[in-house]
Amino acid sequence: AQSVTQLDSQVPVFEEAPVELRCNYSSSVSVYLFWYVQYPNQGLQLLLKYLSGSTLVKGINGFEAEFNKSQTSFHLRKPSVHISDTAEYFCAVSAGGYNKLIFGAGTRLAVHP
Amino acid sequence: GAGVSQSPSNKVTEKGKDVELRCDPISGHTALYWYRQRLGQGLEFLIYFQGNSAPDKSGLPSDRFSAERTGESVSTLTIQRTQQEDSAVYLCASSLAGGRNEKLFFGSGTQLSVL
Repeated sequence: AQSVTQLDSQVPVFEEAPVELRCNYSSSVSVYLFWYVQYPNQGLQLLLKYLSGSTLVKGINGFEAEFNKSQTSFHLRKPSVHISDTAEYFCAVSAGGYNKLIFGAGTRLAVHP
Repeated sequence: GAGVSQSPSNKVTEKGKDVELRCDPISGHTALYWYRQRLGQGLEFLIYFQGNSAPDKSGLPSDRFSAERTGESVSTLTIQRTQQEDSAVYLCASSLAGGRNEKLFFGSGTQLSVL
């Protein structure tokens, strides 16, 4: 069975500081990995995804994530955050025959001025 | 429509009552998913529909939960004899064909509160 662990439930950070949101997964088969973001009062939207190839994946709004197979991690990073990045971020894994995503519990990123 | 539409956006019900939640996917999307998001927790997979294939119901937590979808159109999630632990946001998502690499488009959810 697949599972996803997001190690931090909340991450407070000051504007323009770098941020890393951690995600670890477990799976006995090859996986596709995703980060979704949920802005206040909005539905989830895809931030970025790793399918194959380069382990460094770039997404929208300046976010990037690195797939590390040996550490079974897919951490999300941004070198300089904005107030508008305040949101809930969900890491997800897809390991089935279709896009049945298994989500982590989410990390609430709070960017302060 | 332009996106996934869910109704109602909020539903308050009394314990023991039945509720029906509706999801209208993006036109042309053959795959439809229901997830549940309890307060402070991640999204739990409930059920998946793909075209006319038999749905994957492996995530439904009990036989009080059921869902239907006719063809590639609207889906309804029904919860019978609601319990307080059913209180959550119920999210619907759709994708073009259900492929593993596809982006899911989520609705804004239905906030269900069982008193």
